[in-house]
Amino acid sequence: KAGVTQTPRYLIKTRGQQVTLSCSPISGHRSVSWYQQTPGQGLQFLFEYFSETQRNKGNFPGRFSGRQFSNSRSEMNVSTLELGDSALYLCASSLLGQGSDQPQHFGDGTRLSIL
Amino acid sequence: AQSVTQLDSQVPVFEEAPVELRCNYSSSVSVYLFWYVQYPNQGLQLLLKYLSGSTLVKGINGFEAEFNKSQTSFHLRKPSVHISDTAEYFCAVRPTGNQFYFGTGTSLTVIP
Repeated sequence: KAGVTQTPRYLIKTRGQQVTLSCSPISGHRSVSWYQQTPGQGLQFLFEYFSETQRNKGNFPGRFSGRQFSNSRSEMNVSTLELGDSALYLCASSLLGQGSDQPQHFGDGTRLSIL
Repeated sequence: AQSVTQLDSQVPVFEEAPVELRCNYSSSVSVYLFWYVQYPNQGLQLLLKYLSGSTLVKGINGFEAEFNKSQTSFHLRKPSVHISDTAEYFCAVRPTGNQFYFGTGTSLTVIP
């Protein structure tokens, strides 16, 4: 069974631009969560989508948004990029939503660098 | 909100020596507990999980962890480490019906 696939793996943008990251979950998984990982901060939860609906949201500004499609694939968008948005963005999928005991399965991430 | 504390940001240990990576969490409500490992330029892989039952859980690569409800801890142990265990380790807590909360990670370096 294929794992969680994130594209692209690496991305370089400049301040003020916007970016879209993509995540394809494991087949059959309906929940997709997004995290921002930076040195010293660990993983910061961005949001979770389940069956095309956002179910949970972390403490990030409105510049960070996402959506989920009917095939469970998810995209994350960041507008008006800032230097502080440089990070590894991780996507994780699970069979059921975050309220369950199911573990999350992670992709290899998209490393976003802002110049 | 839940908080997860990994007490050691860096742990150096000699090859074949035992290691313990510590994890404490804030909430006393019912929780699910996980340890993940991250190798360079990769995502997180599940090492082990505690959902219920026996407080000692065994995972992959010879790792085990013990759930201590009274101390709200979930420490990770391995009796003899290998060079290949060098990685970042994350403790995660999920209060039932809620989202995942991750610690800031412990960087384990195995010294030959």
